[in-house]
Parts: sequence; structure tokens; C-alpha cells
Amino acid sequence: DQQVKQNSPSLSVQEGRISILNCDYTNSMFDYFLWYKKYPAEGPTFLISISSIKDKNEDGRFTVFLNKSAKHLSLHIVPSQPGDSAVYFCACREETSGSRLTFGEGTQLTVNP
Amino acid sequence: KAGVTQTPRYLIKTRGQQVTLSCSPISGHRSVSWYQQTPGQGLQFLFEYFSETQRNKGNFPGRFSGRQFSNSRSEMNVSTLELGDSALYLCASSLAVGPGGLWFFGPGTRLTVL
Repeated sequence: DQQVKQNSPSLSVQEGRISILNCDYTNSMFDYFLWYKKYPAEGPTFLISISSIKDKNEDGRFTVFLNKSAKHLSLHIVPSQPGDSAVYFCACREETSGSRLTFGEGTQLTVNP
Repeated sequence: KAGVTQTPRYLIKTRGQQVTLSCSPISGHRSVSWYQQTPGQGLQFLFEYFSETQRNKGNFPGRFSGRQFSNSRSEMNVSTLELGDSALYLCASSLAVGPGGLWFFGPGTRLTVL
């Protein structure tokens, strides 16, 4: 039972354009949402997060949007840079399960120069 | 400050063997969690430890076990290895306990079971 799904295994965009990565979840008890970025041979690194009491959080070029009614979150990267090429994982947390994270399958983003 | 370190980085075993993976958290971090990453499956939660106590456990068979030592270092063990155990095993550490903690991941141990 996959509670968190990233339906696009890969995404390719041109440098300078917007990258939009999507994530859907089914567990209505999730109350905190995170995005991690992973380069080959490295562990995932935290990128940005959002609490369920908000619908948007922005940090520089990165913005996360949360639509609770649709159980959908997205990560926008503007403008995209070649160094953003990596696998992006969304992760969800349920308060009652402590700090355990439930991850999506990941989306490989490629930003072409 | 040094990050999360995992040893070994690569490991090849055969079916039926057992394996022990090691994780050293960031200095001062007392929470450690383990995840398994396989292609197309994302990261699957294995367990979480704090102060040598297992706080949470994922849906993995009993062949998967772990422990944490008094210095917060952690090990996970997989017995009677199966081909499907081939994966990247990631360890993460956190300063805080509970939902407020931010997890920092190590580079992982790539386990191949032949």
C-alpha cells in the first residue's frame, strides 16, 4: 500500500525554466511534508518543508505548495539550474508515528543547459 | 562538523549469509533511523532508535534487526539474506526527538546479494 506516490519517474526541463515536481498522498493523518534531493553516491539532503497548517512555503528558488483537500503537494524550482539535476523525494510525516517519514518513489529531474 | 558516516559503503554477499551495517551519527545526535532504498520503491522505513531504545519499527520481517549503542552509533543486521535484500541502506541521524527533528542522511551502504 503506497501511501505516498510520485507518478513521474523523470522530468526534463531547460535551464532557466520552471521545474514542477508532484506528489500525492493518501493518509489524511500526515501533518508535515518535506522534499529531499539526492545526488548519486550521496544520501538525501533536506530541501524544504511545509506544515499542514500552511499552503505555501518559499525558500529562494524553491517553493512547496500543499493542497490538503486534494492530498497533493508540489515543488516548484524557478529558475531551474543544471546543478538541480538530481532525484527528488517527497516525504510525509504523521505526528502519531513520531519522526518516521514515508517517502515517495522519487523523480529524476534533469535540467539541460 | 562531520556528517553521518556509514560503513562499509559497498558489500557483496550470497544468499543465506548475514550482514551487519554500521552507522555513526553526527556528533551530538542521539536519534538514528534506517531506511531501505530499492529502485521504484523509494525509501522504506526500517527502524528508529533513541538512547539505545527502539522507538519505531517498519514493516520488515524479523530477519532485519538493529541496535544502538551508548555512544549513539547504530548497527543493523540482516540474517539469512535473500536476493530481494539487495538495496541501498541509508542511515539518518537527528538532534531532536519526535516530529520536530530534521533528519540528516549518510551516503548509504550498497548491499548486493548474489
